[in-house]
Amino acid sequence: EVHLVESGGGLVQPGGSLRLSCAASGFSFSSYTMGWVRQAPGKGLEWVSDISESGGRTYYADPVKGRFTISRDNSKNTLDLQMSSLGAADTAVYYCAKALSGGSSYSDWGQGTLVTVSS
Amino acid sequence: DIQMTQSPSSLSASVGDRVTVTCRASQGIRNYLAWYQQKPGKVPKLLIYAASTPQSGVPSRFSGSGSETDFTLTINSLQPEDVATYYCQNYDNAPLTFGGGTKVEIK
Repeated sequence: EVHLVESGGGLVQPGGSLRLSCAASGFSFSSYTMGWVRQAPGKGLEWVSDISESGGRTYYADPVKGRFTISRDNSKNTLDLQMSSLGAADTAVYYCAKALSGGSSYSDWGQGTLVTVSS
Repeated sequence: DIQMTQSPSSLSASVGDRVTVTCRASQGIRNYLAWYQQKPGKVPKLLIYAASTPQSGVPSRFSGSGSETDFTLTINSLQPEDVATYYCQNYDNAPLTFGGGTKVEIK
């Protein structure tokens, strides 16, 4: 059974940084594209970033480009999202998600971790 | 960037009704379209990928159709447990994009 567990969320001041992690188990981690999707309180889903199986290709949504960095460690089955220059618009639940083979539709999701940007 | 426009934004239907949600892409995305269901307070769940392929375990009353710019999610015989917000997602090319969501309620 696929298991994705996010950690690292919390309260951070505007302009601050935070690193989210996702521990994956129950599948061959290195064989799948992984991604982050966020959801602001009461709002819809917003794709944040994707990383290819090997980590060699990364993609970002325009609002986070240049501020967020996605990475993965296939030896530890972990996915990370380094976030910097955070603003109120980044306040959201951040979900780690596993893509289906052949494209980034997300077949499995973690429970999410809440990031709150506030002074 | 490709914009995904869902309609309606909300709907109310009776148990047993056939419900249709549409999603329009601002440019062609072949069949790289997924549908998700998010029940209140829960994690999103993949229903349909490749526009019309049901994810394993999804009830047969859910179906998807369409290609390029126009897509449809159909719920045949709406059930009380189908109360949720439904999202479409383009995954043809980054940046990937979600539609704004359609909230489905029981009348």
